[in-house]
Order: sequence, then C-alpha cells, then structure tokens
Amino acid sequence: ILNVEQSPQSLHVQEGDSTNFTCSFPSSNFYALHWYRWETAKSPEALFVMTLNGDEKKKGRISATLNTKEGYSYLYIKGSQPEDSATYLCAPNFGNEKLTFGTGTRLTIIP
Amino acid sequence: ETGVTQSPTHLIKTRGQQVTLRCSSQSGHNTVSWYQQALGQGPQFIFQYYREEENGRGNFPPRFSGLQFPNYSSELNVNALELDDSALYLCASSLFSSLYNEQFFGPGTRLTVL
Repeated sequence: ILNVEQSPQSLHVQEGDSTNFTCSFPSSNFYALHWYRWETAKSPEALFVMTLNGDEKKKGRISATLNTKEGYSYLYIKGSQPEDSATYLCAPNFGNEKLTFGTGTRLTIIP
Repeated sequence: ETGVTQSPTHLIKTRGQQVTLRCSSQSGHNTVSWYQQALGQGPQFIFQYYREEENGRGNFPPRFSGLQFPNYSSELNVNALELDDSALYLCASSLFSSLYNEQFFGPGTRLTVL
C-alpha cells in the first residue's frame, strides 16, 4: 500500500498572507507528481505535473517544488486571495495507470 | 472546465440495489479512469478503461464493474450496494499515450446508499 500524506489537513489563512503545505510520498518507483485544486461542487483542476528532482513550477501566485530523492513536494501560495479557498490534492504516479491521492489540504482564506 | 461530464449529479439508493453511473470523456481522450472518494479520504482508484477493456484495477470487489463504449464514454456499475459504497464517484479522462498520465476530472456523482 502506497502511503501519500498531505499536511496540514486544513489551514485558515488571512487574505494577503502567503502559505505553503506539504505532500509526502514513497520515493521508490516515483514517476510523476500531480497537484490538483478542487473547489466545492466543481471538478478537480489540474495545477502542475512535476517529474524531475528539483523541479519548480509556477502558475500565477501558486508555485510548487519537488524533491524525488526524499519524496516530498511543497505547494506555495503567495498573497492568498479568497478564490484560493479550495482543497489541494497531490497525486503521485508510480509508472502505472493510476494516480494515488493524498487526503488533501483544505485551505480557507479569511477576508 | 475540463469537458468531462458525469451523470447523474446525485443519486440515492438502498442497500442491495444496483447503480449505473455515466461519464463522457473530454474530446480527443481515449481513456477513462474511475475513482471513489469516501468521506475524509482522498480519491481511490477503482479501475481504468482503454480500448473498451479494463486496463488496471484498484482494490475493489468484482461487484464494481465498468464499460467503455466506442465513443470513449464509460459507465461504472455497482451491484449489491452496501452502506460503505456511499461516496463521491469521480471519472477522469486522459490520453493513453500521455507521458505522465495527466488525467482530467469530471465533477463527480454523489451516491448515497440507505
């Protein structure tokens, strides 16, 4: 059983503040890591696909880093806005057909 | 939006009944995967369909079955429903040849089993 952990489980952040959270996964057989943003009552939205150790991806105020040797990824949000409120899911892929999801970090931005 | 649609949005069934959930994949995609998200958990992989055949299965019993049609749309069937089958069911479409298995999700079907 592949254990993917995300921390914290939930987070409340003041609007304008920056924040980050973690995804930990088994480093053996790692192939790629997917980050998704999931707003209530909507489809999970793909944010990043990361593959190389040291990879860093950026999309607007959101960025992510990857360490495949130690098996973790950080997601950063700079200057949080109310529209950033969502659950953020990470899902490593180990070279097969499935994504293995963590339980997610539920982010709430306080206006 | 991803272009992946699911129906119905919500469904209520009773124990022992059977249910069929439907998914239309994004244009240009040929692969559909199904996931179950129970309360407090991340989505769990059920199975994947490619070329109308099952291409990988997670830890789910045989009463979970699926179909893929020539237009790449898919159905998830669950027989003999149990209370623990209450969950959000997500489908995801992808291109089988995609290098990193990028999957695009629909909004899900919420199944409640009473």
